[in-house]
Amino acid sequence: DSGVTQTPKHLITATGQRVTLRCSPRSGDLSVYWYQQSLDQGLQFLIQYYNGEERAKGNILERFSAQQFPDLHSELNLSSLELGDSALYFCASSALPGRANEKLFFGSGTQLSVL
Amino acid sequence: AQKITQTQPGMFVQEKEAVTLDCTYDTSDQSYGLFWYKQPSSGEMIFLIYQGSYDEQNATEGRYSLNFQKARKSANLVISASQLGDSAMYFCAMSYLEGAQKLVFGQGTRLTINP
Repeated sequence: DSGVTQTPKHLITATGQRVTLRCSPRSGDLSVYWYQQSLDQGLQFLIQYYNGEERAKGNILERFSAQQFPDLHSELNLSSLELGDSALYFCASSALPGRANEKLFFGSGTQLSVL
Repeated sequence: AQKITQTQPGMFVQEKEAVTLDCTYDTSDQSYGLFWYKQPSSGEMIFLIYQGSYDEQNATEGRYSLNFQKARKSANLVISASQLGDSAMYFCAMSYLEGAQKLVFGQGTRLTINP
């Protein structure tokens, strides 16, 4: 158990809908990362937050947004969903915002299926 | 640009044998980290082992060791005495700093352990 909690584990929805994925980082970790894993793109970095503030953006679509709350949990909001958004979404956490040698611990992921 | 290459899409190994999963990386940064993650069929990403670019000794974690050859830019994972439960996808990843820490993943190697 990595200590990173993601809910829900599975999500099935329809095109055009909006969903929210939730992540609680490991106790003591201030930094949260979101990754998307799809068959064609592999694992892609989406966005990172540190102590409530956005620190880095990756290949995140404009239809997607995220935030980190004062209690350090984070939510990833996906709107106007398309079939291609179907993927496994991971949250990861680390203690500090940005050292190259900082270890990341991943949650179990949320499997999103857009029908 | 940072890149991770895993040249073995799939590997088949007999139980109790040692196995080496290949990983090469490309970066011009001096400070970076190298990770291996295991992803079983259940989907979660399990942290296995970490090697910092300035670490002189190869990292070891139980049956896992990382064969780090900096000049060759390789970071192969060695699993000793393989077990049936080692069957999974294995991802090599590199962390680097670009505003904040980011992680780039290879395409993965599917390891199957035969009884």
